[in-house]
Amino acid sequence: AQKVTQAQTEISVVEKEDVTLDCVYETRDTTYYLFWYKQPPSGELVFLIRRNSFDEQNEISGRYSWNFQKSTSSFNFTITASQVVDSAVYFCALRSGTYKYIFGTGTRLKVLA
Amino acid sequence: GAVVSQHPSWVICKSGTSVKIECRSLDFQATTMFWYRQFPKQSLMLMATSNEGSKATYEQGVEKDKFLINHASLTLSTLTVTSAHPEDSSFYICSARDLRRDTGELFFGEGSRLTVL
Repeated sequence: AQKVTQAQTEISVVEKEDVTLDCVYETRDTTYYLFWYKQPPSGELVFLIRRNSFDEQNEISGRYSWNFQKSTSSFNFTITASQVVDSAVYFCALRSGTYKYIFGTGTRLKVLA
Repeated sequence: GAVVSQHPSWVICKSGTSVKIECRSLDFQATTMFWYRQFPKQSLMLMATSNEGSKATYEQGVEKDKFLINHASLTLSTLTVTSAHPEDSSFYICSARDLRRDTGELFFGEGSRLTVL
């Protein structure tokens, strides 16, 4: 079975704090993709990152960084020096085989000024 | 990046009426589009896969007669909620692959919020 777990339902931080959003996935496939999407209050889903199962290199993009650990089946997302504009729901997703995405339940991040 | 647009962004209708939601890929051709449904504060649930020129593939538990999907061109897929009822109120989001890239990610529309009175 394929599954994505985002155990943190909601996180509140004060601006400039660092915050890590957890994502744990399950799949029996050896080839798969992992994604993070941001859903601001307006509703649209914004693509943040894609990582394939053969690339365990961590990635940094500005204040965003991702830590992919196959050994623990985790793909965690860290925002450094958070800002109010980072407030949104963040979804982790898994795709393997077909183009069907399995989404986690999302983590609502609130960044307080 | 690839752009997917949905219309309308939000719609309110009376119970028993039908509502059509359009999903367009603006700068690329999409042979396959996906329709998702999202209840408040919940995750996205795949409803169906829309294939250009052929019948849509529905997920288990999704009524195909209730949610009609048509993918008549390479840039347009439509979702029609027939005989809508209040329980159909939800946020509907479409997405598409950009075959020029085929790097795996889906590009999502802005979503359409349906409220059935």
